Amino acid sequence: ETGVTQTPRHLVMGMTNKKSLKCEQHLGHNAMYWYKQSAKKPLELMFVYNFKEQTENNSVPSRFSPECPNSSHLFLHLHTLQPEDSALYLCASSLFALAGGNEQFFGPGTRLTVL
Amino acid sequence: KQEVTQIPAALSVPEGENLVLNCSFTDSAIYNLQWFRQDPGKGLTSLLLIQSSQREQTSGRLNASLDKSSGRSTLYIAASQPGDSATYLCAVKTGNQFYFGTGTSLTVIP
Repeated sequence: ETGVTQTPRHLVMGMTNKKSLKCEQHLGHNAMYWYKQSAKKPLELMFVYNFKEQTENNSVPSRFSPECPNSSHLFLHLHTLQPEDSALYLCASSLFALAGGNEQFFGPGTRLTVL
Repeated sequence: KQEVTQIPAALSVPEGENLVLNCSFTDSAIYNLQWFRQDPGKGLTSLLLIQSSQREQTSGRLNASLDKSSGRSTLYIAASQPGDSATYLCAVKTGNQFYFGTGTSLTVIP
């Protein structure tokens, strides 16, 4: 498998559930990202990992908990979500996350619905 | 904070027409600018990446230009086709942050 993959593609959960989103990249990249895409709003960068270390957390509520066990895998653990958290969650990777020109490659996204 | 604006929000053109999509940003201190396309309910597909030191990039029927000092980029699509119908997003990298516009929804009418 090539590129950036995400599972599941669709997820419906209640506000009290705990679930996890998974992202895997097969590009040999060292940086991985989580984005949130809500209707009519620009993509919002949530977290950045560079060589498994979190380098950015853009004031994301603690009900979203990222995990990066290695440079190829990224998880987003979800618990006690709110209906307004319903969105398309996109994972991306790039060669590095350092300042400079690195092209980002995106996965297909997970469509999350919180009831 | 960097703000990215894309105009128009939606565009409808007949097949075969050449077209230009616009992207503007408020902070010229960028490392690069990237153009993407997004099909409904799908992820983003990278089209072109322009480094801050470059003026333009070309790939097939696509040409992207960058004028960093004026905070503008354009994406030129030649001889548009129905398969080009999608939302086109631009993103700039400032520091360790990526900032996206809200996109231009393009419809190419056969």
